[in-house]
Amino acid sequence: GENVEQHPSTLSVQEGDSAVIKCTYSDSASNYFPWYKQELGKRPQLIIDIRSNVGEKKDQRIAVTLNKTAKHFSLHITETQPEDSAVYFCAASTSYDKVIFGPGTSLSVIP
Amino acid sequence: DGGITQSPKYLFRKEGQNVTLSCEQNLNHDAMYWYRQDPGQGLRLIYYSQIVNDFQKGDIAEGYSVSREKKESFPLTVTSAQKNPTAFYLCASSMGQYKLGQYFGPGTRLTVT
Repeated sequence: GENVEQHPSTLSVQEGDSAVIKCTYSDSASNYFPWYKQELGKRPQLIIDIRSNVGEKKDQRIAVTLNKTAKHFSLHITETQPEDSAVYFCAASTSYDKVIFGPGTSLSVIP
Repeated sequence: DGGITQSPKYLFRKEGQNVTLSCEQNLNHDAMYWYRQDPGQGLRLIYYSQIVNDFQKGDIAEGYSVSREKKESFPLTVTSAQKNPTAFYLCASSMGQYKLGQYFGPGTRLTVT
């Protein structure tokens, strides 16, 4: 069935460094890839998304890249800040409105 | 963060009782979803609905039921058949068009003892 893998499961970086989270998906029909950030005890919030007709998208310190051939996509956070600490989920959409989530990456930014 | 609400925030029930979790949205979104999140885990899809009076099972629908009588509302009932119901439940909605992000409610933390 449809599956999304995400690595690493935990990530610690020094403030100011970059963080990279990688995801792979199984269904080649997937063509929408959102990323969500969930702070402790709060709801997930959409931070960036990318569609299959685009290879890269950037929004300030956050960027997402997509390699359709390899079926993987990545989240890049530059100049990390303590408030970036959260759990990040990647996801892939393979059919009308059904989204499959990865297991999440817990990011800690050390001041 | 407004527009999609869940109530209550915390809910406690005895084993063997059915319980209904509320989810309401005023975003005029066509699609609504229910997810379950266990500690340190990702989001697992329970049920989703694309339009009123229609819904589909997700990956872990056993022991749960839903209804979608109104566009704004998508209540989830956790039945006594659900073997391990204690979890954090998240409702979400999205535009009915393909490939648009979901907006999540604040969640309900259900504890069954």
